[in-house]
Amino acid sequence: QLQLQESGPGLVKPSETLSLTCTVSGGSIRSTGHYWGWVRQPPGKGLEWIGNIYYSGSAYYTPSLKSRVTISVDTSKNQFSLRLTSVTASDTSVYYCARLTGVSTFESWGQGTLVTVSS
Amino acid sequence: QSVLTQPPSASGTPGQTVTISCSGSSSNIGSDPVNWYQQLPGTAPRLLILTNSQRPSGVPDRFSGSKSGTSASLAISGLQSEDEADYYCAAWDDSLNAVVFGGGTKLTVL
Repeated sequence: QLQLQESGPGLVKPSETLSLTCTVSGGSIRSTGHYWGWVRQPPGKGLEWIGNIYYSGSAYYTPSLKSRVTISVDTSKNQFSLRLTSVTASDTSVYYCARLTGVSTFESWGQGTLVTVSS
Repeated sequence: QSVLTQPPSASGTPGQTVTISCSGSSSNIGSDPVNWYQQLPGTAPRLLILTNSQRPSGVPDRFSGSKSGTSASLAISGLQSEDEADYYCAAWDDSLNAVVFGGGTKLTVL
């Protein structure tokens, strides 16, 4: 059974870089037809798509974060990662990683990890 | 403000049928399939309906989806207390080259 687990610091200082990793188990990150993505949810608010990546490295990012976001994949570790630079308090959210069917259907989700931006 | 528009809240009594709408445009719902997600309190979202009307394995047939033009709907029949959750629609937007979510609808079972 596919499982995804987010990991990384729960507290990041303003202006610094948020880095999270999603470890995939029970399946290969090289599986054909599946993108891997990140979605975030500010406390008490709705879902916001951040971006998706294919194991080959082809990536899509949401326009509003494109200048600050990088998603990368490490096939040797069956992991993919999120990097968000110059964070502010508005980046405080629960961050979810997920596997997609195609580029837009989030079929399996991690449990999420809360990242707070505060000094 | 979300690209896809959902009512912020909906409610019903046990056994009733509730419908949640999702309105978009020609660049998203009008040209791409719609997915629906259920988020129970304190948990991660889960895929409820894919490609407008398909139910993943394990989703009860009380949940159904439909799409017409630039709008989509999620219907929940035989409402149960455990259906109390937030529901989100989502689709790919060809103009933004992005996944867009609705703002979410909080369903209360009275």
